Amino acid sequence: DAGVTQSPTHLIKTRGQQVTLRCSPKSGHDTVSWYQQALGQGPQFIFQYYEEEERQRGNFPDRFSGHQFPNYSSELNVNALWLGDSALYLCASSYRAPPGELFFGEGSRLTVL
Amino acid sequence: AQKITQTQPGMFVQEKEAVTLDCTYDTSDPSYGLFWYKQPSSGEMIFLIYQGSYDQQNATEGRYSLNFQKARKSANLVISASQLGDSAMYFCAMREGHGQNFVFGPGTRLSVLP
Repeated sequence: DAGVTQSPTHLIKTRGQQVTLRCSPKSGHDTVSWYQQALGQGPQFIFQYYEEEERQRGNFPDRFSGHQFPNYSSELNVNALWLGDSALYLCASSYRAPPGELFFGEGSRLTVL
Repeated sequence: AQKITQTQPGMFVQEKEAVTLDCTYDTSDPSYGLFWYKQPSSGEMIFLIYQGSYDQQNATEGRYSLNFQKARKSANLVISASQLGDSAMYFCAMREGHGQNFVFGPGTRLSVLP
């Protein structure tokens, strides 16, 4: 049973560029949440997708956007990257919303130079 | 105001000993859930244990137990018989009511010594 998978695992971008991160939820899950984890901190909620719609959003600017596809997979897009966007981006899946237990992937580590 | 506080940035424990990781929370919602996650160096957050605000008994999962003191807004994680593989970051998290998001604390780094 495949867990949550994320790609890419590591990437390096320069300021001003755009990035797309991808997530496939655990089998049977229909809800995807994205979290940003800066070095030495706990994860912070970006947004959640359920039934292809953004259900709730954390305190992140509009540069952060997302999408959920009919197969429940999801993308996180970040435009106009700046140094402070360097972090581990974690995808978590659950069944239905509000979520019970969250299942996390191993994350995509983004470095912005 | 911090909703989840973990006052121990780092903890050391001898192998086979028990250890308690502290977590206090702040909410005015009578319905909430409390979670503990383990994050090894690989980055993946691994679910350990859950406590609902209306649960009468403290949650237990194998070597993990949650010391839930509702009046003190405390949800400490107890790991019994520590193993070397328990060395990792540990995060306390809360979901309020029917909210969609989890709020995480800053974490505690646990090191198990042989």
